[in-house]
Amino acid sequence: QVQLVQSGAEVKKPGASVRVSCKTSGYNFTTFDVHWVRQGPGQRPEWMGWINVRNGNIRYSDRFQGRVSITRDTSATTVYMELTKLEFEDTAIYYCARDTGSFGDAFWYFDCWGRGTLVTVSP
Amino acid sequence: IVLTQSPATLSVSPGERATLSCRASQSISNNLVWYKQKPGQAPRLLIYDASTRATGIPARFSGSGSGTEFTLTISSLQSEDFAVYYCQQYNWWPPLTFGGGTTVEI
Repeated sequence: QVQLVQSGAEVKKPGASVRVSCKTSGYNFTTFDVHWVRQGPGQRPEWMGWINVRNGNIRYSDRFQGRVSITRDTSATTVYMELTKLEFEDTAIYYCARDTGSFGDAFWYFDCWGRGTLVTVSP
Repeated sequence: IVLTQSPATLSVSPGERATLSCRASQSISNNLVWYKQKPGQAPRLLIYDASTRATGIPARFSGSGSGTEFTLTISSLQSEDFAVYYCQQYNWWPPLTFGGGTTVEI
């Protein structure tokens, strides 16, 4: 079945960087785009960015512009999200989520999510 | 686009009807989805295009609305329906945006 398996929890200091991986399986990797969404404690989900896994096109939320990088490794069917210059406010659960559209026609909503990776920023 | 959900918390008894609201700061046509999130879990897609149930979603869930006003109705609450519900718009992006959520509690 479709699975998005994320890397484990991370604890980072302010100013550091974190990279979260999202290993996909159960479907053709290049058929569906992937997004990253984070959710702080008791907060609404917040969209961070998107990658077209076929051609590598990327779009980021302006809120994270310059700090976030989304990449993919097609041979490993894995998508990565790196966030730099971490602040306390970046403490959140980070989710990868599969776009519902296919073959480059993104629908911009999500039918399958990873279980989330808790990133804690602490001195 | 700012999405405002109301009420923040809805107290309902099993078997009763629940009506959740999502209001957009400007028109988003019918480009709205609803998700359900239980504690410790990722969100799950319920409704897309404002009114179409996603695969495997029971008929007791229905969505309606267009423009700026949207509603999610759960016709007869089951125990597994007690959760937080979020709306998300995909008409104007980036960024995609989510509402603040409605907690449906017993």
